[in-house]
Formats: sequence, C-alpha cells, structure tokens
Amino acid sequence: GIQVEQSPPDLILQEGANSTLRCNFSDSVNNLQWFHQNPWGQLINLFYIPSGTKQNGRLSATTVATERYSLLYISSSQTTDSGVYFCAVGINQGGKLIFGQGTELSVKP
Amino acid sequence: SAVISQKPSRDICQRGTSLTIQCQVDSQVTMMFWYRQQPGQSLTLIATANQGSEATYESGFVIDKFPISRPNLTFSTLTVSNMSPEDSSIYLCSASDPGDEQYFGPGTRLTVT
Repeated sequence: GIQVEQSPPDLILQEGANSTLRCNFSDSVNNLQWFHQNPWGQLINLFYIPSGTKQNGRLSATTVATERYSLLYISSSQTTDSGVYFCAVGINQGGKLIFGQGTELSVKP
Repeated sequence: SAVISQKPSRDICQRGTSLTIQCQVDSQVTMMFWYRQQPGQSLTLIATANQGSEATYESGFVIDKFPISRPNLTFSTLTVSNMSPEDSSIYLCSASDPGDEQYFGPGTRLTVT
C-alpha cells in the first residue's frame, strides 16, 4: 500500500521562528490534507491541497503531485502552534485517508 | 464544512465490557469513517460506515470486535466489544463527500482498566 512519510518527527522552535514540515508519499493521490492535532486531541483542518499552493495567515502549503511531496510552512511561530501536524492522503474516490506518523512541534516562549 | 459531534467524549471502562460511541454530523454526508489513535501513534482507519449496508473493514479489524451502524446520512455508531487494555485509544469519526475535504469529530478518549 501507499507509504506516507513525514519529516522531521520532532521540532523545537523559539517563538517567532519559521519552519517547514515535509510529507512524502509513494504513489499518486487524489486527496492530501494537513491537520493540526492540539493538546486536547482535536484534529483541526489546515489545508485541503491535492496540488498547488494555498495560504492561510501565517501558514501556507504546497503540494507537488508529480514529485509526490507536500510542504507545510509555518511563519512567525507562536506557542499556540504547538502540537502534532499530520499529513494524510487519499488514493481513490472511496475517501479514506492514510496518515503519516506526524511531526510533533513545540514552540518555546 | 461539516460539524461533527461525538458522545461520550471520554470514558473509563472495565475489561470485558463494551462501549458504544455515537457520531452525529450536522448535514447529510455521503461517507463516514471511524479511526483509532493509539497512545503516541498516528491515526489508523478502522472502517468505512456505509449507509444501509454493512461497514467495510480495514485489514486487522473485524466486525465482531468493532460493530458499526449507519442508519442514515448523518449518524453512525461504533461499538468496541469485549474490551481489553489494548483497546485504550482515542476513537475518531470523520465525514466527507466524494472529492471533498474530510472533517473529524473531537474524538472519544477510551481507557480500559
């Protein structure tokens, strides 16, 4: 089956720093989403981005489908950005998502 | 975007018992799913809840252990049967329409003692 690999697994930042999280996938996908899981376990939708580039405030994402990777950029990080960031891909119209192992981000004040 | 609620939000159960988790979506959706997140791990799909027919289970998950119902286009239940401590996890339901973004409920945090 398809493999989804995220890097780095852990990241510690000082408040105000920028970061890039990467998601590699091993096969063609028709769906790619980025999520933030907060300390209470809630999964928050960040981007639905099977291809192209999107921006939402301090966050932006780029997916290069032909090269099978996606990047999530976080600028001017804040302590509230802490948590686990997941990339998840869908491979058919059935809708199910395959999740990467996540990147655990800790932003220090 | 779909708004999804789950009940209960958390529970502590004794081994050998069963727990039924409810998932309610605020609008009709084509697809509903159930995922498990074991402590410190990523999310793994348990099954796709099909309206009016049996759920479609992923490898490693069976109907006898995780029976699922989906009586209509806005509601689904997942039962965790004959629980053991290894079933301690967060259980999340999600919903989407074909070709659309998938949204998740807040999760049910289950502890089995």
